[in-house]
Amino acid sequence: EADIYQTPRYLVIGTGKKITLECSQTMGHDKMYWYQQDPGMELHLIHYSYGVNSTEKGDLSSESTVSRIRTEHFPLTLESARPSHTSQYLCASSTQPQETQYFGPGTRLLVL
Amino acid sequence: SQKIEQNSEALNIQEGKTATLTCNYTNYSPAYLQWYRQDPGRGPVFLLLIRENEKEKRKERLKVTFDTTLKQSLFHITASQPADSATYLCALDKGNAGNMLTFGGGTRLMVKP
Repeated sequence: EADIYQTPRYLVIGTGKKITLECSQTMGHDKMYWYQQDPGMELHLIHYSYGVNSTEKGDLSSESTVSRIRTEHFPLTLESARPSHTSQYLCASSTQPQETQYFGPGTRLLVL
Repeated sequence: SQKIEQNSEALNIQEGKTATLTCNYTNYSPAYLQWYRQDPGRGPVFLLLIRENEKEKRKERLKVTFDTTLKQSLFHITASQPADSATYLCALDKGNAGNMLTFGGGTRLMVKP
């Protein structure tokens, strides 16, 4: 069982609200990732980080932002949630050098 | 362009049979190829990794092959069980700096009792 945690697990929120999805890992991994996945669909990388103070945008454009102030913590923020943001958000971290990724349980977001 | 292809149609097999899933890729030169399992509503879980210089890897009822000439990996589950029903994803590194993984779309496996 990987030591990577996400909160909240489920979130229902109204349009226009600001939200932050939390992700923490206790494995000391430098690299962390955020993916977006709709039910039955493939994973889309939206953000990643190589380490503290490093953030990069992924393959799928996203209106969310991330920060990496501490190695273990990689929160994702949506300044103004919209129904189109409804999805599951998965956080992961990876080992070196094989880059095996360990995923958190995910946050299922519903924006009304 | 770089592409990872897994059969998007579900694979239905009878309990006890061997399930074989395919992962094909183009325009990658991966150092590693990995297989993950994903259950509905949960994050993927790492199963097996195979290196570019390895032909085959086994772990209990799982076997992975890797053919860098064909640019293909096969994932086998022998003596399949209903509990093996899930979506299986292959992932490979981009072979460039950072070696980040790219995931395929996954194949859903249904094992019927």
